[in-house]
Amino acid sequence: EAQVTQNPRYLITVTGKKLTVTCSQNMNHEYMSWYRQDPGLGLRQIYYSMNVEVTDKGDVPEGYKVSRKEKRNFPLILESPSPNQTSLYFCASSLSVSSYNEQFFGPGTRLTVL
Amino acid sequence: DAKTTQPTSMDCAEGRAANLPCNHSTISGNEYVYWYRQIHSQGPQYIIHGLKNNETNEMASLIITEDRKSSTLILPHATLRDTAVYYCIVARSNYQLIWGAGTKLIIKP
Repeated sequence: EAQVTQNPRYLITVTGKKLTVTCSQNMNHEYMSWYRQDPGLGLRQIYYSMNVEVTDKGDVPEGYKVSRKEKRNFPLILESPSPNQTSLYFCASSLSVSSYNEQFFGPGTRLTVL
Repeated sequence: DAKTTQPTSMDCAEGRAANLPCNHSTISGNEYVYWYRQIHSQGPQYIIHGLKNNETNEMASLIITEDRKSSTLILPHATLRDTAVYYCIVARSNYQLIWGAGTKLIIKP
């Protein structure tokens, strides 16, 4: 089944404890992206990647890192999480850069930072 | 960047057509309009997109005004499963989407 998977789905952690949220897609998509969603708001883009080893900042990149060493994986790293990073996170992918706006989304990761 | 304006919420009776408006008066000539929906807190789902012409697929129809300043998403026969938040989005030219708060559509039996 074609899908985008994220792990973990739920995470409660404490301030300053490094964490990684994994994202994987099995559709051979070139474009991948991370978003966060806060209550009552639409999605805000954190980082995106147009292909392997190519990443760029979105609208809210502060406090996050990403890497794209393989086409299928696009992990989101929080080196020192803070409470303002408590949010619902979505990973997404699309076939190519030219179709970046028809994105397939993962199920989401709900992160709480205490 | 082009911004979109949508009603905060709308109701529609089951079996009727749901018409969701979107205003994007500052859209540029080469910017597309996209619609996604999000059911509860699941990952958003792509619905449809268009540039100038009206578009239809198995999920919905998209009607774009001639001046491109507004559009309407039409769900022809709404069901309870169509209850969701619907986002009207204008795609930036640098591979990013600008998401607003969307319209919460409630389908009533």
